[in-house]
Amino acid sequence: DTGVSQDPRHKITKRGQNVTFRCDPISEHNRLYWYRQTLGQGPEFLTYFQNEAQLEKSRLLSDRFSAERPKGSFSTLEIQRTEQGDSAMYLCASSLGQVDSPLHFGNGTRLTVT
Amino acid sequence: AQTVTQSQPEMSVQEAETVTLSCTYDTSENNYYLFWYKQPPSRQMILVIRQEAYKQQNATENRFSVNFQKAAKSFSLKISDSQLGDTAMYFCAFMNYGGATNKLIFGTGTLLAVQP
Repeated sequence: DTGVSQDPRHKITKRGQNVTFRCDPISEHNRLYWYRQTLGQGPEFLTYFQNEAQLEKSRLLSDRFSAERPKGSFSTLEIQRTEQGDSAMYLCASSLGQVDSPLHFGNGTRLTVT
Repeated sequence: AQTVTQSQPEMSVQEAETVTLSCTYDTSENNYYLFWYKQPPSRQMILVIRQEAYKQQNATENRFSVNFQKAAKSFSLKISDSQLGDTAMYFCAFMNYGGATNKLIFGTGTLLAVQP
């Protein structure tokens, strides 16, 4: 069990640029979540995958955000035309399929939009 | 919609003493889970303890225990014999049992500082 891995750890980009983050969940975890955490706040749910299917998206996930999990393993989160308000920590978590399976979080990707 | 409220933004405790972090939540569901997560300065969230709403007995994990009051919708975390390594942000979280996604809804967190 190597844990949930996220890449990159930090990303600085200029407003208007596109960015893509990657998450590698714990192997055999079929559930994958993306959360966003801003300073002084708790993580906010963005989207959820069960295997390769994206089953829920928060209204926080505007049209500029897209997430994929093409083979049911790793996932990517892309933000197009970044805005300063997108600056946040983006957390990925994974879990097994059982209802009481705990979520395991990665270290997150810190995005700064200048 | 479910909400989770943590009314203590920051707390401080002396090493070896006991501290209690508060959490209240609001839900119309009857079956759910409650969690406390710890986020140390390295930022990786770690599960501390969880409680199934259908269980009356309060959960305990070593120095960590909860006081779950279902009627009052209260879920506090007690840390006994506080250690320097307990310094972290603590988040209370709610999960609806049987929901399609098992997503967690978090409170805003309590920053706990353990003083030597």
